[in-house]
Amino acid sequence: DAMVIQNPRYQVTQFGKPVTLSCSQTLNHNVMYWYQQKSSQAPKLLFHYYDKDFNNEADTPDNFQSRRPNTSFCFLDIRSPGLGDAAMYLCATSIYRGQETQYFGPGTRLLVL
Amino acid sequence: TQLLEQSPQFLSIQEGENLTVYCNSSSVFSSLQWYRQEPGEGPVLLVTVVTGGEVKKLKRLTFQFGDARKDSSLHITAAQTGDTGLYLCAGYNTDKLIFGTGTRLQVFP
Repeated sequence: DAMVIQNPRYQVTQFGKPVTLSCSQTLNHNVMYWYQQKSSQAPKLLFHYYDKDFNNEADTPDNFQSRRPNTSFCFLDIRSPGLGDAAMYLCATSIYRGQETQYFGPGTRLLVL
Repeated sequence: TQLLEQSPQFLSIQEGENLTVYCNSSSVFSSLQWYRQEPGEGPVLLVTVVTGGEVKKLKRLTFQFGDARKDSSLHITAAQTGDTGLYLCAGYNTDKLIFGTGTRLQVFP
């Protein structure tokens, strides 16, 4: 089945130690998104790629970076995780930007010690 | 900034009860979506409503889009334990999907 896959499902890192979260998709969608969701809150968009075009949200901290080496993969890099970065990180895809259905992966839960 | 306020924030009911979740905004949306998110999983799209006054049914779930396209409701009839989860409404602000504040539903047997 075509889907959005996130690895790992759970990630534990230490304060200040860089961490990379992975997302892959078999849907061949043009757009890939990264959201941060803290406990019992709504997902908050960090940035998205439309093909190779990177679009950062104005309030996304510089500590968060992203890479999209090809259509299928997108990575979220947190350069120096703080305790406040502990959250669920959701990857989503859509065919095009705009009012298209977004398909979400299962998320990676990040714990910062 | 377009905001989507959901109420109630938390809802705890017993199996068989009915419930309604509300999603309100001061802004007009061309469409609104409803997602359900189970613990430890990503949101799953339930429905998209696009026309003012539209009513859509998905088994025991009934979704309504307000006439002015500023609000929406989700009604669940005879809730089941499998309905437990976080319910999110969402709408597009140009190209960006804006999520509501969420309603956490717990259905007890």
